Amino acid sequence: EDQVTQSPEALRLQEGESSSLNCSYTVSGLRGLFWYRQDPGKGPEFLFTLYSAGEEKEKERLKATLTKKESFLHITAPKPEDSATYLCAVQDNQGGKLIFGQGTELSVKP
Amino acid sequence: ETGVTQTPRHLVMGMTNKKSLKCEQHLGHNAMYWYKQSAKKPLELMFVYNFKEQTENNSVPSRFSPECPNSSHLFLHLHTLQPEDSALYLCASSLRGYEQYFGPGTRLTVT
Repeated sequence: EDQVTQSPEALRLQEGESSSLNCSYTVSGLRGLFWYRQDPGKGPEFLFTLYSAGEEKEKERLKATLTKKESFLHITAPKPEDSATYLCAVQDNQGGKLIFGQGTELSVKP
Repeated sequence: ETGVTQTPRHLVMGMTNKKSLKCEQHLGHNAMYWYKQSAKKPLELMFVYNFKEQTENNSVPSRFSPECPNSSHLFLHLHTLQPEDSALYLCASSLRGYEQYFGPGTRLTVT
């Protein structure tokens, strides 16, 4: 059964304190791994898609990486506006539904 | 309008009411989805439509009834809901099943 586990559940950082969020997954055959950002009371905002182990993508202070078992979302020198819940999801190679993790709630204090 | 829009943004309804949620996508996508998001739980897929045809019903109770008249519009008809159905209902769309783009959601409260 496809499964996604994100850790930690919550992360508190000081502004400028870099860290990483983890997304561990099991899937029969990976078509894609997706990262989203969700602000309170809003819909998830698409960030990245990773397709194969070794792939990396960057956007501003965020960098996503992928191995055969997990993905990391690295946040470099975060700012308070990076505070949000970050969601990870996987899709199998049958092009089926996305399986979401429970998210990591990130709080960045000035 | 751009992206995926949802109306209403907030809805309070009694257990005997009938209401509908509306979703519209302006991205030229061909697949649309309904998700339920409850506090501290992963997003739960409810329904999938590809080219207006329902391709997935994730064991959703019959008090939720989807309708997809065309590739740009999706509705979720609600009747005789229960308090545990209170949640954020999210609509999403994608092109051929790739990245899904979400709307802002409808916050539903069942009293």
